[in-house]
Amino acid sequence: GAGVSQSPSNKVTEKGKDVELRCDPISGHTALYWYRQSLGQGLEFLIYFQGNSAPDKSGLPSDRFSAERTGGSVSTLTIQRTQQEDSAVYLCASSAAGYNEQFFGPGTRLTVL
Amino acid sequence: AQSVTQLGSHVSVSEGALVLLRCNYSSSVPPYLFWYVQYPNQGLQLLLKYTTGATLVKGINGFEAEFKKSETSFHLTKPSAHMSDAAEYFCAVRAGASGSARQLTFGSGTQLTVLP
Repeated sequence: GAGVSQSPSNKVTEKGKDVELRCDPISGHTALYWYRQSLGQGLEFLIYFQGNSAPDKSGLPSDRFSAERTGGSVSTLTIQRTQQEDSAVYLCASSAAGYNEQFFGPGTRLTVL
Repeated sequence: AQSVTQLGSHVSVSEGALVLLRCNYSSSVPPYLFWYVQYPNQGLQLLLKYTTGATLVKGINGFEAEFKKSETSFHLTKPSAHMSDAAEYFCAVRAGASGSARQLTFGSGTQLTVLP
C-alpha cells in the first residue's frame, strides 16, 4: 500500500496480558516512530528507529514497553503486563532519509479492561 | 529540548469566517515546525511545515502559517472556514538540522468547530 499501515485497528485486552502492535511503514522509509495518544497525556513520543542505528528509546514510559524493527521495515511494539493506564491510541509514523515529514498510520486503539 | 503550547483547546468559528489557531513553541535549537490535522478515528495528516527559508508557508486546504522567531509563534490561519475544516489540529516542533532529535513534540491540540 501507499501509506503507513497498523494492525490491529482495535485491541481489547485484560489487565496483566501482553499485547503486540504492528506497524508497516511506507516502503523505503528508513525512519520509524511510535507515538501514544491518550486523553490525559496528549500525543507523546515513545521510540524512534533510524536505519541500522540503535533506537532512541527515551520516550518509553516503563520497562514493560519494548519495540523492535526487523529487516529495517516492519516494527512491533510490545506492552507486557498491560495496565489500565496503557489504554490509548498508538500511532506509528515513518519518514524518508533526509526528509523531515512524518507520515502517520491510522493507529491502534488499545483498551485495557 | 522542545515544547509547544496551543492556546485554546476549543475554537468555534462560523462558516466563512477567519480561522486562527495559535501555537507558541520553545526550542533550544532552530526548530522545524508543523501543523497536523486529525479527523475522527483517523491518523494525523500534515497540513504544512516550516523548515528554512520563507517564513510564510502555505499548506493544503487553504491553510497557511507564519513563523515568527521573535514571538516564538507559528499560528495557523485560513481566511474562510468551511464545514469540512472541523477537526482537531496539532502544532508540533522538532529540532532542525542542527539538532539530533528527530521525534516530534506536539501541543495539546485545538478542536475546531465550524458553525453553519
